[in-house]
Amino acid sequence: KAGVTQTPRYLIKTRGQQVTLSCSPISGHRSVSWYQQTPGQGLQFLFEYFSETQRNKGNFPGRFSGRQFSNSRSEMNVSTLELGDSALYLCASSFKGGYQETQYFGPGTRLLVL
Amino acid sequence: GQSLEQPSEVTAVEGAIVQINCTYQTSGFYGLSWYQQHDGGAPTFLSYNGLDGLEETGRFSSFLSRSDSYGYLLLQELQMKDSASYFCAVQGGGFKTIFGAGTRLFVKA
Repeated sequence: KAGVTQTPRYLIKTRGQQVTLSCSPISGHRSVSWYQQTPGQGLQFLFEYFSETQRNKGNFPGRFSGRQFSNSRSEMNVSTLELGDSALYLCASSFKGGYQETQYFGPGTRLLVL
Repeated sequence: GQSLEQPSEVTAVEGAIVQINCTYQTSGFYGLSWYQQHDGGAPTFLSYNGLDGLEETGRFSSFLSRSDSYGYLLLQELQMKDSASYFCAVQGGGFKTIFGAGTRLFVKA
């Protein structure tokens, strides 16, 4: 079974631009979570989607948004990029997002904002 | 608020045993997970504790005390390949997982 895939793997943008990142979960998984990882900050929860519905959102500004499609693929968008948005963006999938379920992470998209 | 505390760095010798502690403060609690992340890699699941006590998976064990809001990951017979970052994570309800800042483990020969 193929793992979680994320595209693109690397991205360089300039301040003020916007970016869209994509995540394809493991086949059969319907829950997708997004995290931002910066050095020393661990993984910061962005949002979680299940069956095209956002069920929870972390403490990030409205510039960060996401969506999920009927095939469970998910995208996240960051508008008006700031230097501080430079980070590794990880998505993780699980069957239903239940509390006992293992999250399977993709390789991440490394975003650099200049 | 919700927070998890774990040491930022731990160093140990190959073949030794190391314990990485995690204390948490969350509004809801359904379980404590541990993930391993090598440099440049994605986090991978190691262990989950939903109830108090010890869970053993090969060289790795994880412990949870819900009354103390505390858990730890125990790595035995350390190998060089165990050098990585280790994250504790709490599933506090609402389909939201909160991760600690991570503990970087250095294994020396």
